[in-house]
Amino acid sequence: KQEVTQIPAALSVPEGENLVLNCSFTDSAIYNLQWFRQDPGKGLTSLLLIQSSQREQTSGRLNASLDKSSGRSTLYIAASQPGDSATYLCAVTPQGAQKLVFGQGTRLTINP
Amino acid sequence: NAGVMQNPRHLVRRRGQEARLRCSPMKGHSHVYWYRQLPEEGLKFMVYLQKENIIDESGMPKERFSAEFPKEGPSILRIQQVVRGDSAAYFCASSPGQRGAEAFFGQGTRLTVV
Repeated sequence: KQEVTQIPAALSVPEGENLVLNCSFTDSAIYNLQWFRQDPGKGLTSLLLIQSSQREQTSGRLNASLDKSSGRSTLYIAASQPGDSATYLCAVTPQGAQKLVFGQGTRLTINP
Repeated sequence: NAGVMQNPRHLVRRRGQEARLRCSPMKGHSHVYWYRQLPEEGLKFMVYLQKENIIDESGMPKERFSAEFPKEGPSILRIQQVVRGDSAAYFCASSPGQRGAEAFFGQGTRLTVV
């Protein structure tokens, strides 16, 4: 059974810092890995999608890496801003299934 | 191109009533997924549907919950005889269906059972 873990559960950093969020999954048999952002009381916004054959994806100040063999992904946020404050969710699509398995999320606070 | 539309955004039901949650997928998407987010918990898969077919309902509670995606109209998640433990945010996602395709989520319906 696929399980996804995100560490840390919460993170608070001053504005301008670069930071890394971690995601690990127990079964390397995945189609893809997706990072989402969720603001309080809101829906999920897709940030980056990495296919199993890819090593990383970049969008603006965000960079996500995938090491399928070790079951790990990182989301790197450069030059953090208060507007980046949100919960960041990692999810994988297991092979043989058409659904997402989510981690518990990392609640990020960027202090001005 | 409108995104995934869910309604209502907020729903209050008394214990024992029925709750109906609607989801219209993105234009061109024929695959719909429902997820539930309980307070202070992560999102859990409930059901995966294509038009007129339930493909995977392994995450759906066996009783009181049902889902459909008719040929015409939105997907419906129905919860009969709601209990306090059903209070949660219910999210719908859609995709074009190809394996590995990106999933797009709606804003969710927040169900409160009083």
